Amino acid sequence: KAGVTQTPRYLIKTRGQQVTLSCSPISGHRSVSWYQQTPGQGLQFLFEYFSETQRNKGNFPGRFSGRQFSNSRSEMNVSTLELGDSALYLCASSFIAGSYNEQFFGPGTRLTVL
Amino acid sequence: QQQVKQSPQSLIVQKGGISIINCAYENTAFDYFPWYQQFPGKGPALLIAIRPDVSEKKEGRFTISFNKSAKQFSLHIMDSQPGDSATYFCAASMTRNYGQNFVFGPGTRLSVLP
Repeated sequence: KAGVTQTPRYLIKTRGQQVTLSCSPISGHRSVSWYQQTPGQGLQFLFEYFSETQRNKGNFPGRFSGRQFSNSRSEMNVSTLELGDSALYLCASSFIAGSYNEQFFGPGTRLTVL
Repeated sequence: QQQVKQSPQSLIVQKGGISIINCAYENTAFDYFPWYQQFPGKGPALLIAIRPDVSEKKEGRFTISFNKSAKQFSLHIMDSQPGDSATYFCAASMTRNYGQNFVFGPGTRLSVLP
């Protein structure tokens, strides 16, 4: 079974621009979560989607948004990029949304904002 | 109250030794405690996880000890190997709205010397 894939793997943008990151979960997985990883703040939860609905949301500004499609693929969008948005963005999928479900992480998209 | 504290920040162990990483949490609503291992350039991978109704769980060389009253849990890596050199994250999750919201510790960088 193919793992979680994320595209692109690397991205360079300038302040004020917007960016869209894509995540394809493991086949059959319906829950997709997004995380931001930085050296200073560690791994922080952004949001979780299940069956095209946002189930949970972390403490990030409205510039961060996401969506999930009917095939469970998910996209994350960041508008009006700031220097502090430079980070590794990780996507994780699990079979169903609920308790104790193992999350499988993708390799991440490394975003650099100049 | 949503924080998960983790120590030490870095750890150096000789091959064959025991690596111990500790985590503490405040929110008693957390009901799932996984440990993740992350190698450079990769996403985190689940190592082992425990629920609060169990005090210890062992899988191979990896053991989680859980102290519910103290709100602490730890990862023990027995017979540590150079291949175990990675960053380890503890996490805590609570089930709500039929979804989950993971909170991660800041990570411990483990180096196992040959």
